[in-house]
Amino acid sequence: DGGITQSPKYLFRKEGQNVTLSCEQNLNHDAMYWYRQDPGQGLRLIYYSQIVNDFQKGDIAEGYSVSREKKESFPLTVTSAQKNPTAFYLCASSIRQAMEGYTFGSGTRLTVV
Amino acid sequence: AQRVTQPEKLLSVFKGAPVELKCNYSYSGSPELFWYVQYSRQRLQLLLRHISRESIKGFTADLNKGETSFHLKKPFAQEEDSAMYYCAPRPPRTLYGGATNKLIFGTGTLLAVQP
Repeated sequence: DGGITQSPKYLFRKEGQNVTLSCEQNLNHDAMYWYRQDPGQGLRLIYYSQIVNDFQKGDIAEGYSVSREKKESFPLTVTSAQKNPTAFYLCASSIRQAMEGYTFGSGTRLTVV
Repeated sequence: AQRVTQPEKLLSVFKGAPVELKCNYSYSGSPELFWYVQYSRQRLQLLLRHISRESIKGFTADLNKGETSFHLKKPFAQEEDSAMYYCAPRPPRTLYGGATNKLIFGTGTLLAVQP
């Protein structure tokens, strides 16, 4: 199913709780990315990783954390410090130089209740 | 600041009419440019890249360095073209020669093709 899988599809969280979104790819891509998609704001980069055990902050990293222990996996944790976590989260991957663009997952919709 | 602008949030046309989705960028040098499309209930997918100079589903996009634009065009819109379209430049290499693989996405344009 496209080589990149995000789970779960829908996630509900209580205020004050941390939650982790999963992203797995079997495309042998070196680089992985997390974006947040909000109506009228397009896609905003949260974190990205170009290689295992290394990652960099994107434009809106506050309140989020990531890890890259394996090439295939790039989980995103939305912490209680994120002030407005309700959003649609997209994971993507690419070859190192992204010459062919990104492959996207199907997304996770997080709702804080 | 490095930016990409898609000025239209919504573009509504009738079937068979020409379509132009605007995209302007503000990078110096030569960025690589992509257009992505998101159909209803489907994942975001690559539509075309400027370096390949290809036409996908009848869409083309020409890089105009003078105007720093990469508008997406189709001569005759179809109802199945209705979707959200995102322009995404990849910034050029840094002054120190390091390449970046980050894509910067515009805010998107919703294309609605009426029957």
